[in-house]
Amino acid sequence: DAGITQSPRHKVTETGTPVTLRCHQTENHRYMYWYRQDPGHGLRLIHYSYGVKDTDKGEVSDGYSVSRSKTEDFLLTLESATSSQTSVYFCAISVRDRDSYEQYFGPGTRLTVT
Amino acid sequence: AQSVAQPEDQVNVAEGNPLTVKCTYSVSGNPYLFWYVQYPNRGLQFLLKYITGDNLVKGSYGFEAEFNKSQTSFHLKKPSALVSDSALYFCAVRDWDSSYKLIFGSGTRLLVRP
Repeated sequence: DAGITQSPRHKVTETGTPVTLRCHQTENHRYMYWYRQDPGHGLRLIHYSYGVKDTDKGEVSDGYSVSRSKTEDFLLTLESATSSQTSVYFCAISVRDRDSYEQYFGPGTRLTVT
Repeated sequence: AQSVAQPEDQVNVAEGNPLTVKCTYSVSGNPYLFWYVQYPNRGLQFLLKYITGDNLVKGSYGFEAEFNKSQTSFHLKKPSALVSDSALYFCAVRDWDSSYKLIFGSGTRLLVRP
């Protein structure tokens, strides 16, 4: 998994509670991403980061916030979880390979909001 | 806007037979195209990419993909399928900003029967 860890790996939480997911990388890559995976939708980008304290919104950012205070950590926060945020969340990094960048993914976090 | 489409939710093939998983794209400019595979309860793994050059790209695990500009397609192929190839396959295109983020198709489940 390209030196990417995600925590927790599984979480069940109640509607209305805050939740923070953590992504940690060991190789100081600049670009990091949070995706969610839902059946029939593939992976959709939530937020991404292009450096410490530099973040931007993706396709499905409503209800999510992120922070990156250190190069190695990218946090995804659901301020007030809803059932529609039940999903599998993947963190990814971009790694340069000769003439292009490739993305490598963490193992995922399965979040259930009851 | 950049997009990719995977027209088949599932592809069934017998072990030993050739397999094809279809992907079409819509981009402005030259596409950077990728294939990823996801095994159960795992993150996505990079298979191969097309940036420029030869239209036939070879990747991991014996997979290859054919880039066809006139048909705007990037189909994934393998000459002889294995039961262990059964997984979820995603086609993706790189978005044309400076973030190197990917836009994914909805995924195709490949089932290889013994």
